[in-house]
Amino acid sequence: AQTVTQSQPEMSVQEAETVTLSCTYDTSESDYYLFWYKQPPSRQMILVIRQEAYKQQNATENRFSVNFQKAAKSFSLKISDSQLGDAAMYFCVLRTSGNTPLVFGKGTRLSVIA
Amino acid sequence: GAVVSQHPSWVICKSGTSVKIECRSLDFQATTMFWYRQFPKQSLMLMATSNEGSKATYEQGVEKDKFLINHASLTLSTLTVTSAHPEDSSFYICSARADYNEQFFGPGTRLTVL
Repeated sequence: AQTVTQSQPEMSVQEAETVTLSCTYDTSESDYYLFWYKQPPSRQMILVIRQEAYKQQNATENRFSVNFQKAAKSFSLKISDSQLGDAAMYFCVLRTSGNTPLVFGKGTRLSVIA
Repeated sequence: GAVVSQHPSWVICKSGTSVKIECRSLDFQATTMFWYRQFPKQSLMLMATSNEGSKATYEQGVEKDKFLINHASLTLSTLTVTSAHPEDSSFYICSARADYNEQFFGPGTRLTVL
C-alpha cells in the first residue's frame, strides 16, 4: 500500500523568510510521481511542483523547490522569500504508475506572518 | 493548465432531498474522474473513481446507493447525494485526469444539509 506522511500539521514563517515543509512516503513501485499541492482559503487545489521519481535532479518552480531523497523516501518543499499569498494548506501527494488514484498526506497548514 | 468546473459551488438543501453536483472538464477529455470529500481542516478523502461509460469504483466505506456517480461522457461526471442528511454536509471536490495523465481539480462544492 502507498502512504504519504506529513508530520507537521502547522507551520509558520515570517514574510520574506524561507520555510521547509516535510513529507515522507512509502511505495514499492519504482515508477511514480510526487507532487505538492496548495489549497488556499478558496479551497481550489493548485499544483505547486511535481517530481518524477526517475529524475535525480530536484524540481524547481520559481520560489518553490524540492529536496527529493529517493532512498530515504523523503520529499520536502522549500519556499523561499515567503509571501502572504503563500499562506495555505499544503498537501504532499503520491501517484504511482497506471490509472491509480492520488495518495494524499494529511496536509500542513502554513501561516505567513507579516 | 486545463480547467475543471463544478456546479453548483454552494448548495443548501433540506434533509431527505437529493442533490446533484456536476463536474465538467472544459478543454480536455477526461478518461477518469475522481470524487473527493473534504471535512474542515482535513485532507481530501477519495470517495470513488469513475471511468467514462463504466460503473464507478467506490472506496471502502462509501455507500454506492447514497452517492450515485455517473460518468456519461468524457467531459461530464455527476455525483448525486440521495436522501441527504446533515452528516452528508461537506465539501465535495472532483478531479479529472486527461489522457496524458495530468490531473486537474474542480473548485469544489459546499453542501449544507439542514
